[in-house]
Amino acid sequence: EVQLVESGGDLVQPGRSLRLSCPASGFTFGDYTMSWFRQAPGKGLEWVGFIRGKAYGGTTEYSASVKGRFTISRDDSKSIAYLQMNSLKTEDTAVYSCSRGGNNGWNYFDYWGQGTLVTVSS
Amino acid sequence: EIVLTQSPATLSLSPGERATLSCRASQSVRSYLAWYQQKPGQAPRLLIYDVSNRATGIPARFSGSGSGTDFTLTISSLEPEDFAVYYCQQRSNWPPEITFGQGTRLEIK
Repeated sequence: EVQLVESGGDLVQPGRSLRLSCPASGFTFGDYTMSWFRQAPGKGLEWVGFIRGKAYGGTTEYSASVKGRFTISRDDSKSIAYLQMNSLKTEDTAVYSCSRGGNNGWNYFDYWGQGTLVTVSS
Repeated sequence: EIVLTQSPATLSLSPGERATLSCRASQSVRSYLAWYQQKPGQAPRLLIYDVSNRATGIPARFSGSGSGTDFTLTISSLEPEDFAVYYCQQRSNWPPEITFGQGTRLEIK
């Protein structure tokens, strides 16, 4: 059974940093693209970024709203994806979820975690 | 950036009725179009990928169609558990990005 369980969400002040983790199980982690999404309270889904699997060099892509501030990484030996968030802004407040790219790609996302809440406020 | 526009914003129907949800892209997304269902407090659930392929475990009453810029999710006969928010999603190659529509809320009439 595929499982993704995010952790690390917290209340942080603007300008501070936070790292989220997404340990995965039930599949060969290194083969898959892993993506992060977020959903602000009462709003729709927003893509944050993703990291490709080892067959694609583990390269990353980011949305314009987080590029230069957020970094996605992965530890295939531990089956964990990470989201490092720096220079946080109040508009980054959201539930952050990790997801697995379907069919080893990034056309769609077939398994999602329940998410972890990040609140950016002074 | 490719913008996805979903319509209607809210759809009010009764169990047993047919639901037709629309997703229009600002430019062609080829076949990279997926649909998700989300219920309050839950993670999104993949329904349809690559326009018309049902994800694992998705009932046959859900179907997807369309091409280029216009896509449709059809639920042939609504069950009580189908009332939720539905999102379409596309991926593009350049710039590499993923975008969602704003969602259609399917509510019980």
